[in-house]
Amino acid sequence: KQEVTQIPAALSVPEGENLVLNCSFTDSAIYNLQWFRQDPGKGLTSLLLIQSSQREQTSGRLNASLDKSSGRSTLYIAASQPGDSATYLCAVRYSGYSTLTFGKGTMLLVSP
Amino acid sequence: NAGVTQTPKFQVLKTGQSMTLQCAQDMNHNSMYWYRQDPGMGLRLIYYSASEGTTDKGEVPNGYNVSRLNKREFSLRLESAAPSQTSVYFCASSRPGQGYEQYFGPGTRLTVT
Repeated sequence: KQEVTQIPAALSVPEGENLVLNCSFTDSAIYNLQWFRQDPGKGLTSLLLIQSSQREQTSGRLNASLDKSSGRSTLYIAASQPGDSATYLCAVRYSGYSTLTFGKGTMLLVSP
Repeated sequence: NAGVTQTPKFQVLKTGQSMTLQCAQDMNHNSMYWYRQDPGMGLRLIYYSASEGTTDKGEVPNGYNVSRLNKREFSLRLESAAPSQTSVYFCASSRPGQGYEQYFGPGTRLTVT
């Protein structure tokens, strides 16, 4: 079964730290990978989409990388701020499939 | 540009009642999806519609039906609600030209007593 795993489930850091969130997937035959942010009681907001042919994508303080051979993606957040506190979800679209497979997310708390 | 909208935002049902959750998108997306999100279970796909006129089952379709009314609208119906269907329901949409990047609505919080 194709799965997506995110470790750790929760992470707490002080403001200003650089941090990395991890996402692993079981099959290297992926079409793309998407990172989302979810605030409590809200819907998911798309942060970055990486196509299978790409190695990384950047948006502001966020940088997502993709290594298909090892089945891993990382989301790097530079100079974290309390406003970055949220749950971050990783989702993979496997090749030949029309849908996303989601990880269970990492809950990030950035304290002032 | 409202993106993906969902109605209602909150709903309480008694066991056995029926209801329809509405979803609409104004981004000219071909594909639409219904998910449920439960603590500890993550997001699970209920049904999806790859294009207007087609629908397919996802991971947890039992107890639900869907209708792709037109390109903009995709509704989810609970015919006889059960407490196990207490959840937060999200609708999403995507299109090929954007790499199938999915955009989500704000969700419907449903409680079945």
